[in-house]
Amino acid sequence: GALVYQYPRRTICKSGTSMRMECQAVGFQATSVAWYRQSPQKTFELIALSTVNSAIKYEQNFTQEKFPISHPNLSFSSMTVLNAYLEDRGLYLCGAKGPGNTLYFGEGSRLIVV
Amino acid sequence: QQKVQQSPESLTVSEGAMASLNCTFSDGTSNNFRWYRQHSAKGLEVLVSIFSDGEKEEGRFTAHLNRANLHVSLHIREPQPSDSAVYLCAVSMRAGGSNAKLTFGKGTKLSVKS
Repeated sequence: GALVYQYPRRTICKSGTSMRMECQAVGFQATSVAWYRQSPQKTFELIALSTVNSAIKYEQNFTQEKFPISHPNLSFSSMTVLNAYLEDRGLYLCGAKGPGNTLYFGEGSRLIVV
Repeated sequence: QQKVQQSPESLTVSEGAMASLNCTFSDGTSNNFRWYRQHSAKGLEVLVSIFSDGEKEEGRFTAHLNRANLHVSLHIREPQPSDSAVYLCAVSMRAGGSNAKLTFGKGTKLSVKS
């Protein structure tokens, strides 16, 4: 079946430092990868959509300078949260477009900023 | 900009009784609707995807879509305590191939009592 693995599952980082998270699609080729964030008490917000062989499209309020994304092949994507502060904490989900055009999500990478 | 609203915010049902969740959306040209659930701030599990008016069943989960009324619902047959979770409605446009860009509702917290 289609699976999406995210790593690390949880990170505690000091304010002002950076955190890199990875997303691996297993069992299918992910032509699109979407990164979402669920901040405390909020629903999921789209950060950016990455399609292989296309430019990565960032949503309003999110920038490449803050959340650089790499999507080098059809099974892997990574995103870094640079200079993380309290407002960046939350659960970061990677969604990979798989069979049936369905978006499959990983279990998320939780970022805690202290 | 797409707005997705879910009701009720929380719902408690007894084990075995039908659970019904509602979702309204603002963009009538949306054509890609999904229900996900999230257990305890973990990742998302896709339950049902529906693309045309009518009904789509996946096991105990049935989605009903009425685009004219801007409404999609989820019905859970014979819910069990293990179905207790937050249920999220997600809407996107298929046009342009960017159906990885989902707009989420804030969720309905379902509690199933045994």
